[in-house]
Amino acid sequence: GAGVSQSPSNKVTEKGKDVELRCDPISGHTALYWYRQSLGQGLEFLIYFQGNSAPDKSGLPSDRFSAERTGGSVSTLTIQRTQQEDSAVYLCASSLGGTGSKGYTFGSGTRLTVV
Amino acid sequence: GQQLNQSPQSMFIQEGEDVSMNCTSSSIFNTWLWYKQDPGEGPVLLIALYKAGELTSNGRLTAQFGITRKDSFLNISASIPSDVGIYFCAGRDNFNKFYFGSGTKLNVKP
Repeated sequence: GAGVSQSPSNKVTEKGKDVELRCDPISGHTALYWYRQSLGQGLEFLIYFQGNSAPDKSGLPSDRFSAERTGGSVSTLTIQRTQQEDSAVYLCASSLGGTGSKGYTFGSGTRLTVV
Repeated sequence: GQQLNQSPQSMFIQEGEDVSMNCTSSSIFNTWLWYKQDPGEGPVLLIALYKAGELTSNGRLTAQFGITRKDSFLNISASIPSDVGIYFCAGRDNFNKFYFGSGTKLNVKP
């Protein structure tokens, strides 16, 4: 597609439930990032996929968080047993990767509210 | 780990004033980027810098890649109300990984 697409745009869930957030990157982009942004705060790195390499999961805050990227394209971020502190905007970004990368393009995010 | 410090955290300025914000890192980067985020949207790329010392403009915005490769600044001249938003710097290291600053929240009073 023309841009990075994220779904859903808003998600309200009950504490303890699992949620899945989807990111559809720009076609051909090999690098994909997930970030979390709490209200009025900066971007917190979660996970980074680059081509077929093992993902960099160093930013995942707990083992309740996991992500996968199927076929080098669509990515899903899963949060199990959600907690209220998980409430935030989850942003996905993709880029061409490699030394020619010109930065990356963000989606509009998924606003997650855990009640 | 990598540390990226962005300042100031927030600014309140009058329309027409110039603005300056900067980022410093604990290690060198090979790319510096500046993004702007409007409420409810994802960040949008404003300027990309690829060489130490590079000075690039985009309309009223000017950014520079520091000679030490550990810093960058963004200037906005003659600010207008639509400049309101959060500005993020980002740096890319030699492993092709990006790091973001914590953002500068800009408020412009008409």
